[in-house]
Amino acid sequence: DAGITQSPRYKITETGRQVTLMCHQTWSHSYMFWYRQDLGHGLRLIYYSAAADITDKGEVPDGYVVSRSKTENFPLTLESATRSQTSVYFCASSGLGNRSGYTFGSGTRLTVV
Amino acid sequence: AQSVTQLGSHVSVSEGALVLLRCNYSSSVPPYLFWYVQYPNQGLQLLLKYTTGATLVKGINGFEAEFKKSETSFHLTKPSAHMSDAAEYFCAVSETTSYDKVIFGPGTSLSVIP
Repeated sequence: DAGITQSPRYKITETGRQVTLMCHQTWSHSYMFWYRQDLGHGLRLIYYSAAADITDKGEVPDGYVVSRSKTENFPLTLESATRSQTSVYFCASSGLGNRSGYTFGSGTRLTVV
Repeated sequence: AQSVTQLGSHVSVSEGALVLLRCNYSSSVPPYLFWYVQYPNQGLQLLLKYTTGATLVKGINGFEAEFKKSETSFHLTKPSAHMSDAAEYFCAVSETTSYDKVIFGPGTSLSVIP
């Protein structure tokens, strides 16, 4: 199906473990983004990408790693999960960057215990 | 620096009443402005956007917003609320010069009372 899909929808992991959140879009959008949503903090940008092999840090990148070897995929890796990374993570994509607005995935709810 | 303020973290309206959700922004350059809606356990969905041109923009589900430069506002309205409008609404601002700097407001939770 066309669209932007995130997997898994729910994930529980232990402190110190590495976990990867997947994001896949079918529109060949150039721009992709990772946000986290937390009560009291709203949406905060973690990383973004303007094209394959081009990524840059957002507002809260510490503890996260991204890669973009293919245009359609933008995985987010937590290298060593901490409880403060418990959050809902949203991936978004855009064909024209900020001018066209973003299309968001359904999110991944991550709990670090 | 850009910022977005949404007046009222929670708004309640009666079914059929006017919906007004307030958004004020600050930006050093002409902004792009957006409203997104988020239903429970879902991602954000773009309601409408202002980039250039007409300052009154219409979006999906009967919503509209007006860009007022002098007031640095982009309030969201709908003439008649429906139960299905109950959701979280986010205003967002972006500088026209930088695709990465999209700032989201804290959100307003809309309740619709039957």
